[in-house]
Amino acid sequence: DTEVTQTPKHLVMGMTNKKSLKCEQHMGHRAMYWYKQKAKKPPELMFVYSYEKLSINESVPSRFSPECPNSSLLNLHLHALQPEDSALYLCASSQGMTGRGNQPQHFGDGTRLSIL
Amino acid sequence: DQQVKQNSPSLSVQEGRISILNCDYTNSMFDYFLWYKKYPAEGPTFLISISSIKDKNEDGRFTVFLNKSAKHLSLHIVPSQPGDSAVYFCAASAAGTACKLTFGTGTRLQVTL
Repeated sequence: DTEVTQTPKHLVMGMTNKKSLKCEQHMGHRAMYWYKQKAKKPPELMFVYSYEKLSINESVPSRFSPECPNSSLLNLHLHALQPEDSALYLCASSQGMTGRGNQPQHFGDGTRLSIL
Repeated sequence: DQQVKQNSPSLSVQEGRISILNCDYTNSMFDYFLWYKKYPAEGPTFLISISSIKDKNEDGRFTVFLNKSAKHLSLHIVPSQPGDSAVYFCAASAAGTACKLTFGTGTRLQVTL
């Protein structure tokens, strides 16, 4: 069982729809992340939140809009997505910023998103 | 530009034997390395990590070795078990980039009976 919970597990939406992906962790972690993973490819970082503030945006198109309502929750709002945005979207959290001491990122099981 | 490479897309090992998964990197700024295991329909599960001040870290059946001069790390699993069958990703981060993990392309390990 993962301690990072993502909902929904699957999402099918049209290009004009607005939907949100949700991520929750109760490990007291202060850094949270969104990744995108295409088939047979490694995960690619999209956004990083540290202490509920956006600290990294990896040049992600504005049709993806992250939100961190509190230290346990991370949302990804989706609007006007394209078929090429179909992928597995993974959320992760870590105690602090990975790279400063042994603070690995722990992943949820992802939301598999399909854009029609 | 693939900064973290796993050149073996797949590996088959008999149960009880040692599994050795390899990873090479090109960015000399990387100073923290991790291994993740991924089952189908699940997210990556953290296995073990190592910082650049060490050359070996061990946790149960899993040992990670780091050779900084060769920019190479490896994950040893011994003894291998059927439940270890999964895709294994190595990942790296660099001081100053704080938290950006760069993943390798993965190696599918199959442990046979």
